[in-house]
Amino acid sequence: DIQMTQSPSTLSASVGDRVTITCRASQSISRWLAWYQLKPGKAPKLLIYKASSLESGVPSRFSGSGSGTEFTLTISSLQPDDFATYYCQQYDTHYTFGQGTKLEIK
Amino acid sequence: QVQLQESGPGLVKPSETLSLTCNVSGGSINSFYWNWIRQPPGEGLEWIGYIYYTGSTNYNPSLNSRVTISADTSKNQVSLEVNSVTAADTAVYYCARARGRPGKMEFFDYWGQGTLVTVSS
Repeated sequence: DIQMTQSPSTLSASVGDRVTITCRASQSISRWLAWYQLKPGKAPKLLIYKASSLESGVPSRFSGSGSGTEFTLTISSLQPDDFATYYCQQYDTHYTFGQGTKLEIK
Repeated sequence: QVQLQESGPGLVKPSETLSLTCNVSGGSINSFYWNWIRQPPGEGLEWIGYIYYTGSTNYNPSLNSRVTISADTSKNQVSLEVNSVTAADTAVYYCARARGRPGKMEFFDYWGQGTLVTVSS
């Protein structure tokens, strides 16, 4: 199985901050990576696919980059609605997720 | 707008079968891939498996022998069965639609809100 490792596990930030979350794959996955936002009691939301393609309707402050084994999700200016847990997911070989990064209000 | 809603018992006894249904509205299950994903308390997400609109299925090898995913096109529903459950199967279970290239499912673009299933006697 391809293992996905996210860092940090928890991130404290303020509204307006620029934040970056990293996801590393245990082997190369080309650009077959997606990012999701999860909030308790709500349907998870697809943000990014194919490493850097923004899903329709997702604000442009979200961006993704990377290829091979290292990827990042960046939020350029945090909004109150962005405090949530973020997961990466590889779809190169089967489907596995990172362990999540909880974005908290500082 | 596609909407997915999971339903089923919130409590299942050990060794019994967990059964959940996903009602899909705003779109037909006669296209795309339809998945189940779970999240044990305090843990990450685990893909369980999918059914393609053609009826073909693909399951996570770690659960393969205990899982069945089926579809009822007349009701626009997808179902999940996990047999011989243990406490380790306690989780929030999500239904999700996925897009992909021809012959290859990729990522999940619509999800339900999830339903908590607890395995306990």
